[in-house]
Amino acid sequence: GAVVSQHPSWVICKSGTSVKIECRSLDFQATTMFWYRQFPKQSLMLMATSNEGSKATYEQGVEKDKFLINHASLTLSTLTVTSAHPEDSSFYICSGSQGDSGANVLTFGAGSRLTVL
Amino acid sequence: AQSVAQPEDQVNVAEGNPLTVKCTYSVSGNPYLFWYVQYPNRGLQFLLKYITGDNLVKGSYGFEAEFNKSQTSFHLKKPSALVSDSALYFCAAFEGNNRLAFGKGNQVVVIP
Repeated sequence: GAVVSQHPSWVICKSGTSVKIECRSLDFQATTMFWYRQFPKQSLMLMATSNEGSKATYEQGVEKDKFLINHASLTLSTLTVTSAHPEDSSFYICSGSQGDSGANVLTFGAGSRLTVL
Repeated sequence: AQSVAQPEDQVNVAEGNPLTVKCTYSVSGNPYLFWYVQYPNRGLQFLLKYITGDNLVKGSYGFEAEFNKSQTSFHLKKPSALVSDSALYFCAAFEGNNRLAFGKGNQVVVIP
């Protein structure tokens, strides 16, 4: 079945530095990728939707200059948390979709735990 | 807008007993409904989906869900719970543009 690889699984960084998280679809072309943020024992909060070759669409309240999303190819999307601060510490999850049909199953990466010191 | 409600925060069940995780939906048009499971520090794994056809949908790991249009529900069930089923379960509805509307999630605790 479809697999999405997300890297790194864990990252610890100092406040003020930038962190890049990669999301790759391994055996399918993800026309659309989604980035979510999840707080402990809570649901997923959609941050942005990215389509290959175009600018990401950010959800209301998500700072696009802080959370840079690039979808350079049909198999790779990246999320860069710029000038990270402790409040950015969270679990970030990506997912990919092969098409725009309601029957398509979203395939999720394993998530990236970011801790900002 | 599509929305999904998971009314319970946590579901506790003894190992071997039936497990039910509740979900109700509010969608315009035909509902496309999904269940996902999340283990600690992991992404979401697909369990099953309802698109059309038989109201009883069978999925992974022995789970099934029943689509009930009159009650706008899509409850997840398993006849005999295992300790390894302890996880966070999300119900979701398709809302167009590849997007899913997720419920808040239910923590399932299976007690040995």
